[in-house]
Amino acid sequence: AQSVTQLDSQVPVFEEAPVELRCNYSSSVSVYLFWYVQYPNQGLQLLLKYLSGSTLVKGINGFEAEFNKSQTSFHLRKPSVHISDTAEYFCAVSDLRNDYKLSFGAGTTVTVRA
Amino acid sequence: DAGVIQSPRHEVTEMGQEVTLRCKPISGHNSLFWYRQTMMRGLELLIYFNNNVPIDDSGMPEDRFSAKMPNASFSTLKIQPSEPRDSAVYFCASRQRLAGSTDTQYFGPGTRLTVL
Repeated sequence: AQSVTQLDSQVPVFEEAPVELRCNYSSSVSVYLFWYVQYPNQGLQLLLKYLSGSTLVKGINGFEAEFNKSQTSFHLRKPSVHISDTAEYFCAVSDLRNDYKLSFGAGTTVTVRA
Repeated sequence: DAGVIQSPRHEVTEMGQEVTLRCKPISGHNSLFWYRQTMMRGLELLIYFNNNVPIDDSGMPEDRFSAKMPNASFSTLKIQPSEPRDSAVYFCASRQRLAGSTDTQYFGPGTRLTVL
């Protein structure tokens, strides 16, 4: 079974500042990794995913994440945030055999202030 | 595309009542998922259908919960009888499952269930 730890439950950040959301996973097998965003009162939307290949993954809205196998991490970054990036962010993992089964982290709430 | 459609968006009911949540997946998608989100337990997969067949229902909490997918465009999640601890946001998601690939799950807006 896989598990995900999001190291920060809340991240306050000023507008136009960079942000990094940390995600570590544990698994005994190869994994797929995902970042989802949830805006207030909405469903989850995929930001980006790592399946294979380049360890630097670019997603929507200027976000990117880097897969680090040795550190079992998949941290999410954005160089300059906007007020509209205020949301909850979820890291998720699935394994290659049961790729439908996403295990989600507890979420990180990002609050962007002017 | 209208995306995944869920109804109702909000449901308030009393303990012991039957609750039915509905989901219409994205047209052409052949996989459907029901999730539950609570503060205590986060996001949990309840059940997974592929081509209308339940593949994994290990996340269904107990016999009070049941899910059906009578056709490719409709699914229900039923709780009977409901209890206060069932209060949560229930999400439906769908994806186009292709052999040899891992495709994105698209989530609906959720149904916020409150059991009094």
